[in-house]
Amino acid sequence: EVQLVESGGGLVKPGGSLRLSCAASGFTFSSYSMNWVRQAPGKGLEWVSSISSSSSYIYYADSVKGRFTISRDNAKNSLYLQMNSLRAEDTAVYYCARGPHYYLPWGQGTLVTVSS
Amino acid sequence: NFMLTQPHSVSESPGKTVTISCTRSSGSIASNYVQWYQQRPGSAPTTVIYEDNQRPSGVPDRFSGSIDSSSNSASLTISGLKTEDEADYYCQSYDSSNQAVFGGGTKLTVL
Repeated sequence: EVQLVESGGGLVKPGGSLRLSCAASGFTFSSYSMNWVRQAPGKGLEWVSSISSSSSYIYYADSVKGRFTISRDNAKNSLYLQMNSLRAEDTAVYYCARGPHYYLPWGQGTLVTVSS
Repeated sequence: NFMLTQPHSVSESPGKTVTISCTRSSGSIASNYVQWYQQRPGSAPTTVIYEDNQRPSGVPDRFSGSIDSSSNSASLTISGLKTEDEADYYCQSYDSSNQAVFGGGTKLTVL
């Protein structure tokens, strides 16, 4: 079964940092682009970042550029999102999703709350 | 960049057919594939249509997708509505920089 499991969410103060992880199983992780998508409470879906299968191509939404870093470890079947300089508006459920251009499947999400 | 505009909400009765639209603000709707995601309350999104009109394994054929170049829009049609179809639905495409663009979402009420 193809599965994605996120972890690493939690409560962090404004200006703080957090690292999210996404563990993949059931497919050849190294063959697929991967993505992070977030959803603020009561709001819609917002694409955050994408990384190609070999990490050659990386893209960020303007809202996180310069603060977030996406990475992956194909040997560990894992995707990461390093989030620095966090703001209240980064509060959201963060989902990882297999790419490239359509997201299938999605993980269950991990909640990040930025608050003092 | 472009925007994808969806109706905020739609409602229909069980057994009926409903269509949700997704209009692209600039550029051709046909230039990049459109996907549709279903999100039930409290759950992660799932894919119901990808590449304009393809259904993932396990998605019933009551769900179908199409694009219309004349209106520059994509549509998700759900026939034989069931109460379990009540959810938020999001369309998604991507731009020339491979950045994903999501519509604002449509709340489907089955009453």
